[in-house]
Amino acid sequence: IAGITQAPTSQILAAGRRMTLRCTQDMRHNAMYWYRQDLGLGLRLIHYSNTAGTTGKGEVPDGYSVSRANTDDFPLTLASAVPSQTSVYFCASSNGSGENTGELFFGEGSRLTVL
Amino acid sequence: GQNIDQPTEMTATEGAIVQINCTYQTSGFNGLFWYQQHAGEAPTFLSYNVLDGLEEKGRFSSFLSRSKGYSYLLLKELQMKDSASYLCAAVDSNYQLIWGAGTKLIIKP
Repeated sequence: IAGITQAPTSQILAAGRRMTLRCTQDMRHNAMYWYRQDLGLGLRLIHYSNTAGTTGKGEVPDGYSVSRANTDDFPLTLASAVPSQTSVYFCASSNGSGENTGELFFGEGSRLTVL
Repeated sequence: GQNIDQPTEMTATEGAIVQINCTYQTSGFNGLFWYQQHAGEAPTFLSYNVLDGLEEKGRFSSFLSRSKGYSYLLLKELQMKDSASYLCAAVDSNYQLIWGAGTKLIIKP
């Protein structure tokens, strides 16, 4: 049982480069999320998708974009990376959304360093 | 603004009991989650409370008081593997999760 798979697990890239973090789930969950986790701060929501074909902005969406072409995949793209985007990125999914949001299942995280 | 407060770090002894507190201020409230996160790993679900009271699940229990904006996670018979960060997250009126920064629990033999 894979659950949620993220790739890459770790990446160092130069400022200004474009980067896509991949996220795939095999649980047929409707809702998917991208969070960033920084030391001393709680998880912060970047973007979310309640169902395939729809996306929404979270708390810290600037500099990031997402797409949800199908149920399983939810890639996160940094169009032009900046050092402040150095963080650990977690993809998550849940069976429901809104008032039906249940527990979140998280991927193992992608550690991104922007130099 | 919305805010979740929990202690940054706590230390406890193997075999003992520890209580991790969480206070929240959110626009509306639709429940509270606790997650466990071992260093370098993904958060994993522990509990969800939406009604006042205590929910027990083995060695772990979670309590909620909606009137006080307060929850705690109680861990009994501590084991070394319980060394981890414990994340509190409240669900606001828009059903968005507002996360605390986490409490790092250190277990000593």
